[in-house]
Amino acid sequence: KAGVTQTPRYLIKTRGQQVTLSCSPISGHRSVSWYQQTPGQGLQFLFEYFSETQRNKGNFPGRFSGRQFSNSRSEMNVSTLELGDSALYLCASSLVFGEETQYFGPGTRLLVL
Amino acid sequence: GESVGLHLPTLSVQEGDNSIINCAYSNSASDYFIWYKQESGKGPQFIIDIRSNMDKRQGQRVTVLLNKTVKHLSLQIAATQPGDSAVYFCAEKGNAGNMLTFGGGTRLMVKP
Repeated sequence: KAGVTQTPRYLIKTRGQQVTLSCSPISGHRSVSWYQQTPGQGLQFLFEYFSETQRNKGNFPGRFSGRQFSNSRSEMNVSTLELGDSALYLCASSLVFGEETQYFGPGTRLLVL
Repeated sequence: GESVGLHLPTLSVQEGDNSIINCAYSNSASDYFIWYKQESGKGPQFIIDIRSNMDKRQGQRVTVLLNKTVKHLSLQIAATQPGDSAVYFCAEKGNAGNMLTFGGGTRLMVKP
């Protein structure tokens, strides 16, 4: 069974631009979570989706948003990019909401110049 | 989880020795704990998990110990191999959906 896939793998943007990242969960998994990983702050929870509904949100500004489609694929969007948004953005999928075991994708490396 | 700095604590072990990686978690209400391994350029890889009603769980070459009294988690790797070299993260989950709170990570270096 294929794992979690994320596209693109690498991205370079400039301040003020916006970006959309995509995540396809493991086949059959319906819950998707997003995390931001930086050297300074480590891994931090962004948000979680199940059945096309955001179930949880971490402590990030409103510039960070996401959505989930009926096929469980998810996208996250960051508007008005700042230098501090440079990070590895990780997507994790699990079978259902509240299912503890989460499997991570390889991440999207975003660099904001 | 622990606060995170730019410099990860590092554990250096000889190939074939046992490794013990420790983690202090923050929320006494957390009911599920996971260890992840992250190699350079990859996402975190699930290693082993444990629920709060257990104090020990064993996998293949790995054992997780949970001490709820002092909010401490440890990962033991038996007969450490060069392929075990990576950053290891502990994560805790409360009852708010799937949200995981991660520790700062420990870098394991295995010397051949």
